Amino acid sequence: SQTIHQWPATLVQPVGSPLSLECTVEGTSNPNLYWYRQAAGRGLQLLFYSVGIGQISSEVPQNLSASRPQDRQFILSSKKLLLSDSGFYLCAWSLTGLQYFGPGTRLTVT
Amino acid sequence: AQSVTQLGSHVSVSEGALVLLRCNYSSSVPPYLFWYVQYPNQGLQLLLKYTSAATLVKGINGFEAEFKKSETSFHLTKPSAHMSDAAEYFCAVMDYGGSQGNLIFGKGTKLSVKP
Repeated sequence: SQTIHQWPATLVQPVGSPLSLECTVEGTSNPNLYWYRQAAGRGLQLLFYSVGIGQISSEVPQNLSASRPQDRQFILSSKKLLLSDSGFYLCAWSLTGLQYFGPGTRLTVT
Repeated sequence: AQSVTQLGSHVSVSEGALVLLRCNYSSSVPPYLFWYVQYPNQGLQLLLKYTSAATLVKGINGFEAEFKKSETSFHLTKPSAHMSDAAEYFCAVMDYGGSQGNLIFGKGTKLSVKP
């Protein structure tokens, strides 16, 4: 069966520091991968999606970036965090349109 | 382009009462529709999906949703609320016109259940 992992589960970082969040999927090959962010009162915002290794599409311009170095690994990064980057970050995978979500990372930028 | 509107950001019901969470969609093609549930500090979990088969879809935890094309609705219901149903619920439609069949989510409805 397929599983999806995210780490860390929680993170507190100062403004201006770098960020790296990791997502890995097990039990499937060549999935579509997604990064979402939930900020208070703003629902679920799609940040990036990927249909294959090295293929990244950005939905919202911002100071975040994503990379997919391996088929089942998806990384969300920032060189310098902003206060507005605080939120709950969710990774998801999909093969047929149905999306399966990871447990999320709670990021607080102070 | 597809879109989803969830009416009511907060819904409160008493334990044992009917749960009704509203979702209306906009789609130029037959839609694929989904309901997800999110418990505090957790990821989203699929409750049920509509993919053009039966219009009444049964999901997990006693929830069901009915696809009504004439009303462009896909409301989520449960006959009798339980305390454990307190969570946030998201309706979603598959985005055919956009990115590789991505999902477009509503803003969510937070369900509270009073004892």
